[in-house]
Amino acid sequence: GENVEQHPSTLSVQEGDSAVIKCTYSDSASNYFPWYKQELGKRPQLIIDIRSNVGEKKDQRIAVTLNKTAKHFSLHITETQPEDSAVYFCAATVSGNTPLVFGKGTRLSVIA
Amino acid sequence: ETGVTQTPRHLVMGMTNKKSLKCEQHLGHNAMYWYKQSAKKPLELMFVYSLEERVENNSVPSRFSPECPNSSHLFLHLHTLQPEDSALYLCASSQAFTGGNEQYFGPGTRLTVT
Repeated sequence: GENVEQHPSTLSVQEGDSAVIKCTYSDSASNYFPWYKQELGKRPQLIIDIRSNVGEKKDQRIAVTLNKTAKHFSLHITETQPEDSAVYFCAATVSGNTPLVFGKGTRLSVIA
Repeated sequence: ETGVTQTPRHLVMGMTNKKSLKCEQHLGHNAMYWYKQSAKKPLELMFVYSLEERVENNSVPSRFSPECPNSSHLFLHLHTLQPEDSALYLCASSQAFTGGNEQYFGPGTRLTVT
């Protein structure tokens, strides 16, 4: 089955700097890659996703890139703000076939 | 509100107790999930139901027993739990159980086993 590795487990950045979180997956058939954000004491929520037919997707300050050959995808947050502090989870799956497999999460702290 | 509710929000139980967690979704989704969230395994899938049928059971001990009476309700029955079962239990739903659908999570039940 699918296995998703996520790095780093913790990340601290200064406000205004960029943050990058990386994930690798094992199943070359995986074709759907969402990212969830979980703020302290709150539920995980989808913030962005990408499908294997595109290499990059942007939504304001966040972007996700996908390298199918290397089987890795990354979340990029630019101009970080204190409200970006949260745990971020990547996930992967073969859409239409299996449930999501989540990475172990990255705790991002944005220091004002 | 995301449309997924869970009760109770907090639960303390002894190892010999029997309790149940309840999840309800108001989104018209066909799939529902139970996850266990702990420091060691941040989002561990336990069970998946699609159209009230269990489609995934990730080697969960039998002291956890799920029930899905209809597509809007999901229960997790607990009995003779261990202290290591203390965790946040999250329910989620999606349009379909297959992966290309956004999962909507409930607020979770914080379970403490004493």
